[in-house]
Amino acid sequence: GEDVEQSLFLSVREGDSSVINCTYTDSSSTYLYWYKQEPGAGLQLLTYIFSNMDMKQDQRLTVLLNKKDKHLSLRIADTQTGDSAIYFCAEREGQGNLIFGKGTKLSVKP
Amino acid sequence: DAMVIQNPRYQVTQFGKPVTLSCSQTLNHNVMYWYQQKSSQAPKLLFHYYDKDFNNEADTPDNFQSRRPNTSFCFLDIRSPGLGDAAMYLCATSRGKETQYFGPGTRLLVL
Repeated sequence: GEDVEQSLFLSVREGDSSVINCTYTDSSSTYLYWYKQEPGAGLQLLTYIFSNMDMKQDQRLTVLLNKKDKHLSLRIADTQTGDSAIYFCAEREGQGNLIFGKGTKLSVKP
Repeated sequence: DAMVIQNPRYQVTQFGKPVTLSCSQTLNHNVMYWYQQKSSQAPKLLFHYYDKDFNNEADTPDNFQSRRPNTSFCFLDIRSPGLGDAAMYLCATSRGKETQYFGPGTRLLVL
């Protein structure tokens, strides 16, 4: 079945760039998403990319998609302490359901 | 602002005592989802309503039920909560198969 893999932890210093990586298995996925979850909160949609795109930029966020390798990344420029959270990668499968990765916990050190 | 609202944010119940969690939305989306998220895990889809059609995931226990009386509201009923049902419950909505938007979640504690 479909699977989404992410590394579990990432630690960066404030002001550095963060890169969170994700791999997925369903080559027919049309959309791929990044959600952010702060402690005790719901999932906040950060950004998404359509499968026919290679890159999408939105202010400090850059999403790169390598469809051949089924690899997705989220780059956060000038990372701030407020960016500390868990970041979930998700692919949309054919029925519209989301397949989530286990989430990457980003820690930002001052 | 259009949004997904979940009440209550925190719910404490006793082992075996039925509990109902509520979700409402002002987005006028036709699809509503319920997810269970345990600590340090990804959200797990329990079921969803596509318009009035109920779609249960194969591995969702019978203990979990849902009602959608109208477009705006959807309820999650846990008939006999066990200790293993303590989790964050997330509601999400979408227009058809498009992007899902999540509510803030309800944290359920079972004593």
